[in-house]
Amino acid sequence: QQQVKQSPQSLIVQKGGISIINCAYENTAFDYFPWYQQFPGKGPALLIAIRPDVSEKKEGRFTISFNKSAKQFSLHIMDSQPGDSATYFCAASKGSNYQLIWGAGTKLIIKP
Amino acid sequence: KAGVTQTPRYLIKTRGQQVTLSCSPISGHRSVSWYQQTPGQGLQFLFEYFSETQRNKGNFPGRFSGRQFSNSRSEMNVSTLELGDSALYLCASSLDPSSEQYFGPGTRLTVT
Repeated sequence: QQQVKQSPQSLIVQKGGISIINCAYENTAFDYFPWYQQFPGKGPALLIAIRPDVSEKKEGRFTISFNKSAKQFSLHIMDSQPGDSATYFCAASKGSNYQLIWGAGTKLIIKP
Repeated sequence: KAGVTQTPRYLIKTRGQQVTLSCSPISGHRSVSWYQQTPGQGLQFLFEYFSETQRNKGNFPGRFSGRQFSNSRSEMNVSTLELGDSALYLCASSLDPSSEQYFGPGTRLTVT
């Protein structure tokens, strides 16, 4: 029940296209859902995060869509660029216990 | 503002040895978390410290330990190293346990 399931494992998108990565969770106590971006040789960097009181959050080309009833959330990258090529992780945590439970990661490649 | 720093960046150890990794959080951050990242298991939570106290501990054997100093710097120690301990060890800092986490570049540990 602590798991966060992420798909797909890898994704190839043409430059200018939309990249979509999905995550699903079981634990309804989770109330914080961040997405992290990781480049090779670097630590993960917080990209965008959402809480269950909203269904969508947009920051620039990045949008999180959240479906509380389905216990799913997704990351959409609009107008994908080669510089977006990285591994993306979704995560979840509950309450003030900030222990993040991580998805397995998605390796995104944007083809020029 | 300087980011999270981790030392050393790379480390090669032999089975049975012990190792100490260091993490300096962002100035003003009082919470430090440690994660292990491997290709097979992904990102797994090790432990979290706040104000020199361990708040949470992940599902790792007692060979993994840590501490936090009064200046919020943290160290983690792994004793009796095993081949399976080879991983990227990531440190993340936050203002407090409920705030967003910022990751360092990690320490790449190789056990031979």
